[in-house]
Amino acid sequence: QVLLVESGGGLVKPGGSLRVSCAASEFTFSDHYMSWIRQAPGKGLEWVSYISSSSTFTNYASSVKGRFTISRDNAKNSLYLQMNSLTAEDTAVYYCASGSGSGSFHYWGQGTLVTVSS
Amino acid sequence: QSVLTQPPSVSGAPGQRVTISCTGSSSNIGAGYDVHWYQQFPGTAPKLLIHGNKNRPSGVPDRFSGSKSGTSASLAISGLQAEDEADYYCQSYDSSLNGSVFGGGTKLTVL
Repeated sequence: QVLLVESGGGLVKPGGSLRVSCAASEFTFSDHYMSWIRQAPGKGLEWVSYISSSSTFTNYASSVKGRFTISRDNAKNSLYLQMNSLTAEDTAVYYCASGSGSGSFHYWGQGTLVTVSS
Repeated sequence: QSVLTQPPSVSGAPGQRVTISCTGSSSNIGAGYDVHWYQQFPGTAPKLLIHGNKNRPSGVPDRFSGSKSGTSASLAISGLQAEDEADYYCQSYDSSLNGSVFGGGTKLTVL
């Protein structure tokens, strides 16, 4: 059974930084594009970023471009999202998911909550 | 405002059939990109329900079906059951945004 487990969420002040992680198991991680998708409290889903299987390609939503950086370590079966210059609008549950967005997101983690507040 | 438009809510009685629409534009659904559907229960992660417009992953009941035409897509749920009460999201790719886009979500209430 594929398992994606996010970690690293928490409370951060506006303008601060945070890195969230996603650990994959029972899954050929290195074969798959991976994405981050977020959901603000009481709101819908928003695609944030994707990275290709070998890290060659990345892309970001306009709302986070220049502030967030996606990366991965295939040796550790792990996906990361470095978030800088955070604002209250970045408050959300952050999900990692398999897929790039040109296709479907087949597997999802349980999410990690990031709260940006003073 | 979401790139893909869904009705905020739909409802139906047990046993009935309901449909949820997803309307896009010429840069996403109308450009030929596939539509995918997700089911989400409160406090849990979304689950892939339909991929590639009409294909069900293993384990998804055949009561759920998807279709696509022009710049729109639809999710149909037949034989409605109480456990189908959830939020449903459509998703596609948008060439002008060069990224994935979601609908705003539809809350299904089983009366």
